[in-house]
Amino acid sequence: DAGVIQSPRHEVTEMGQEVTLRCKLISGHNSLFWYRQTMMRGLELLIYFNNNVPIDDSGMPEDRFSAKMPNASFSTLKIQPSEPRDSAVYFCASSPGRGNYGYTFGSGTRLTVV
Amino acid sequence: DQQVKQNSPSLSVQEGRISILNCDYTNSMFDYFLWYKKYPAEGPTFLISISSIKDKNEDGRFTVFLNKSAKHLSLHIVPSQPGDSAVYFCAASALVGAQKLVFGQGTRLTINP
Repeated sequence: DAGVIQSPRHEVTEMGQEVTLRCKLISGHNSLFWYRQTMMRGLELLIYFNNNVPIDDSGMPEDRFSAKMPNASFSTLKIQPSEPRDSAVYFCASSPGRGNYGYTFGSGTRLTVV
Repeated sequence: DQQVKQNSPSLSVQEGRISILNCDYTNSMFDYFLWYKKYPAEGPTFLISISSIKDKNEDGRFTVFLNKSAKHLSLHIVPSQPGDSAVYFCAASALVGAQKLVFGQGTRLTINP
């Protein structure tokens, strides 16, 4: 099992460009979480899915952010248009499901918007 | 609104001594607490957890203490080893919210030889 796989590992983009971050879940896991890490706020939950359905997106900063889970093993987080304040490390994590807090995190995508 | 707070951004401890990392929370609905450890360029990994029905949970060198009345938990590492140098995140969840974990800002622990 390769674990949770995120791509790209690093992304540098210009302000105003569209950015898409990708995440592949662990096989058999049915919950998917997108977090953003910043110095000031630590790990902030942006959105999470259960069985491909978005359950809580209250952490999504604004309409520029969107997330999808087109199938049981894959998710994308899109920022359009990107802004410098979006620069952070974005993590996705998966877990086996309700009642199990055994999150497995990916290695993260470091996003820099210039 | 930071519901889980780690007020010490960094901590430096001598190898072999005890490391104590602290965490405070504000939401009285939280009833399950976890600590995650993160090395550079890697995702956080689960370390130890505690349910609100307990006040202590121990796993080898790691012990988590929970004080519900003070809304405070701490992680003790003894003895501290160089490999323990990492960022430690405290996290909390409310059963009614199920899966969702709320994390603190993290504390960078450095173990000096």
